[in-house]
Amino acid sequence: QVQLVESGGGVVQPGRSLRLSCAASGFTFSSYGMHWVRQAPGKGLEWVAVIWYDGSNKYYADSVKGRFTISRDNSKNTLYLQMNSLRAEDTAVYYCARDGGEDWNYGGWFDPWGQGTLVTVSS
Amino acid sequence: DIQMTQSPSSLSASVGDRVTITCRASQSISSYLNWYQQKPGKAPKLLIYAASSLQSGVPSRFSGSGSGTDFTLTISSLQPEDFATYYCQQSYSTRGGTFGQGTKLEIK
Repeated sequence: QVQLVESGGGVVQPGRSLRLSCAASGFTFSSYGMHWVRQAPGKGLEWVAVIWYDGSNKYYADSVKGRFTISRDNSKNTLYLQMNSLRAEDTAVYYCARDGGEDWNYGGWFDPWGQGTLVTVSS
Repeated sequence: DIQMTQSPSSLSASVGDRVTITCRASQSISSYLNWYQQKPGKAPKLLIYAASSLQSGVPSRFSGSGSGTDFTLTISSLQPEDFATYYCQQSYSTRGGTFGQGTKLEIK
């Protein structure tokens, strides 16, 4: 079955860096765009970044642009999120999600989602 | 940027009730609107995509409608497992999508 498993979360000081990973299985990873979405404690959902199936296009929310980098390794079926210059407001559960479009097409909806990994930015 | 506004923010209802949640976009987004359900401590789950297409495996009591700027999610007969928070999300832009603020559906 389709599965997404995030890892790499933890407690980090403001200004430091962290890299999240998302291991995909059960589908042809290289055929799908992938997203990161986050949720601050007790708050709503915020889309963070998207990467095209082949890595050719990447887009970011204004709140993370210039600090976060999305990437993928299709040979390892893994999605990444490099987070630099972290701030307290980046504290959230980070979810990876597969784009809804099939066969290299962009859909723009998210299905399925991983279980999430918690990032806490605190001194 | 496209802003999404849901109403109400919270809603109390009983098992068997018909419930409607509304989502409004700040500009026309055609039918590029999706709905998710989230239960506490769990990842969101896709219910409806492209405004009215029911995701595989989702019960038929869920339905979506609308186009342009105004959209609705309807649950025809509430079941105990439907009490959760619901989010709309626009996918008009290929550069990512914004969510509504969420609607918490509680048991009356």
